[in-house]
Amino acid sequence: GAVVSQHPSWVICKSGTSVKIECRSLDFQATTMFWYRQFPKQSLMLMATSNEGSKATYEQGVEKDKFLINHASLTLSTLTVTSAHPEDSSFYICSARGGSDQPQHFGDGTRLSIL
Amino acid sequence: GENVEQHPSTLSVQEGDSAVIKCTYSDSASNYFPWYKQELGKRPQLIIDIRSNVGEKKDQRIAVTLNKTAKHFSLHITETQPEDSAVYFCAASLGNFNKFYFGSGTKLNVKP
Repeated sequence: GAVVSQHPSWVICKSGTSVKIECRSLDFQATTMFWYRQFPKQSLMLMATSNEGSKATYEQGVEKDKFLINHASLTLSTLTVTSAHPEDSSFYICSARGGSDQPQHFGDGTRLSIL
Repeated sequence: GENVEQHPSTLSVQEGDSAVIKCTYSDSASNYFPWYKQELGKRPQLIIDIRSNVGEKKDQRIAVTLNKTAKHFSLHITETQPEDSAVYFCAASLGNFNKFYFGSGTKLNVKP
């Protein structure tokens, strides 16, 4: 149980385009989802916390207008990287939890490459 | 905010030896400390966790110790095996299962 699916797993696109990444909880309702970014050989950096039905809370230094997060249902959160540039290339991972007393479960990640 | 530091960045051990990875945290309010194992390009996998009301927890070959006064916690892997080779991350959480602040990671290499 507690499976989190992330899609796509890998995307390559041109500079200036927008890319949407989906994070789904398959067998539980996720009241909270988290989005992380990981550069090669580096740690996971929390970008934002997303609660179903409310606006995401962004960490300091993360541009809200650049990284749009939507958590419209209890099983789906999306991260849209708007007007992506090469410096946005990274590994993006989501996690989800069912409640305040439940552990986080991670998705498989999305490798984003901007040319 | 919380700041988690992790050492060493790389660790190489012989199969069968023990491995220890250490982390410190800055916010005394943190009360949940998970450890994750991540293989290249894969999702982080929870291997063990500890809450602030416990000083030590063990699960077969893996153990975690927590010193709240000193604000540091450690991962201990005994009888290491080649399949233990991966990157290990510690994390601290402000509140149970709330957002995680990760350490910088330790690349463990277990030589057969």
